[in-house]
Amino acid sequence: EPEVTQTPSHQVTQMGQEVILRCVPISNHLYFYWYRQILGQKVEFLVSFYNNEISEKSEIFDDQFSVERPDGSNFTLKIRSTKLEDSAMYFCASSGSGRGTDTQYFGPGTRLTVL
Amino acid sequence: AQSVTQLGSHVSVSEGALVLLRCNYSSSVPPYLFWYVQYPNQGLQLLLKYTTGATLVKGINGFEAEFKKSETSFHLTKPSAHMSDAAEYFCAVNNFGNEKLTFGTGTRLTIIP
Repeated sequence: EPEVTQTPSHQVTQMGQEVILRCVPISNHLYFYWYRQILGQKVEFLVSFYNNEISEKSEIFDDQFSVERPDGSNFTLKIRSTKLEDSAMYFCASSGSGRGTDTQYFGPGTRLTVL
Repeated sequence: AQSVTQLGSHVSVSEGALVLLRCNYSSSVPPYLFWYVQYPNQGLQLLLKYTTGATLVKGINGFEAEFKKSETSFHLTKPSAHMSDAAEYFCAVNNFGNEKLTFGTGTRLTIIP
C-alpha cells in the first residue's frame, strides 16, 4: 500500500541553525501539507502546497519557514534559523485532491529537537 | 473558525469492554469529520470519516462513529476493546473548500488486560 515517508525520523540541531525536513508523498497525489505537534499540544496545520505554490498557510508559517518540491517526488520543509520553540514533531501529508472530503495521508513524522 | 474538543486526554478500558472516545466540534458550516489513530512511532492513520449521507460511519478495526448535528458531536466507539487498540486517537474537522484539518488534542487509549 502506498505510504508517505519522511526523513530523518529524528533531527537534533542547535538554535539558529537551518534544518530541512524531507517527505516523499504518495506518488499520484497533488496536494501536500505540513503539520506540527509540539509535545503535549494539538496537531497544528502549517502549510498546504499545490501546483508548486503555497495554497494556504497558518500564522505559524512565518518567514523562517519555506516549502519546496525540488523534484517530482520530494517535498521539503525548511526552517532557516531554528528557535527552541520549533522543537516539535513535524508531519507531512498528501491527498489526491484539495477537497475537504478527501483523506489526507500522513507520514510517520520527524521529531525536531532544537538545543 | 472551526475547533475540536476531545474530552479526556487519557482513557483506560479493560480488554473486552466498550471503548468510547468523545469528540465535539465547532464549525460555522457543515463539517467533515475524521478520526485518526497513531500507533507508537507511526504516522496518523485514518480510522473513519464523515462527509455526507449516513450519520453512522464504520471504520477499520471495528470502530464506528456517529455524527450528531444537534449535539455537535462525533464520538468514536468500539464494542469490545482489544489490546492492539492501545494508541493515541485524534478527532479532526474540515469543511467544504477548506484544505486544512483542525485537530483535537488527542486521547491516549490504554487497554487493561
